Amino acid sequence: GAGVSQSPSNKVTEKGKDVELRCDPISGHTALYWYRQSLGQGLEFLIYFQGNSAPDKSGLPSDRFSAERTGGSVSTLTIQRTQQEDSAVYLCASSLNRDRGTGELFFGEGSRLTVL
Amino acid sequence: QQQVKQSPQSLIVQKGGISIINCAYENTAFDYFPWYQQFPGKGPALLIAIRPDVSEKKEGRFTISFNKSAKQFSLHIMDSQPGDSATYFCAASKASGSRLTFGEGTQLTVNP
Repeated sequence: GAGVSQSPSNKVTEKGKDVELRCDPISGHTALYWYRQSLGQGLEFLIYFQGNSAPDKSGLPSDRFSAERTGGSVSTLTIQRTQQEDSAVYLCASSLNRDRGTGELFFGEGSRLTVL
Repeated sequence: QQQVKQSPQSLIVQKGGISIINCAYENTAFDYFPWYQQFPGKGPALLIAIRPDVSEKKEGRFTISFNKSAKQFSLHIMDSQPGDSATYFCAASKASGSRLTFGEGTQLTVNP
């Protein structure tokens, strides 16, 4: 596809359940990011993957959150034992390697998570 | 620690007016300062960006002004239009990596 694709677009789950959110970045983009956006709030950094380097996990809010990126492409963000405060829009973005690119992040439309 | 502070939180202007959004940063290692625009239900998209070697950058009706000594930068939207109504985020990143730290966002409404 031409842009960053995220699925599902909407997810409603019960407290305590696990959820997986998927991100398919733009082909050729080596960097991939996950951000969280709560209602009316800014963009909270979660995790950053750059090529084969160890990911920057410094933004993950708790050990219930994890993410992986397989084959340098698709990424999955997993939230275990979901809590109501996890309700938010989870945004994925990709970019070219900044040394060679503009540093521009291309965002998907997000996955809206609602925890009941 | 909030490294990029953005104001105002919301802004209402009349069509044809000037919209001004301000950001301040703390980390002097930041060397890339973009602004992103987000429409409801969409992801943010890059609007305009500046590096600290220039004090101003203009693209059409959008201008970034950058004050390195004050560690501040601002977005000016000239001749604001209703189609500019959106949420605007400033951001900053370091030279050593491209992780962006975003401000809290400004919801701009341009009345017809």
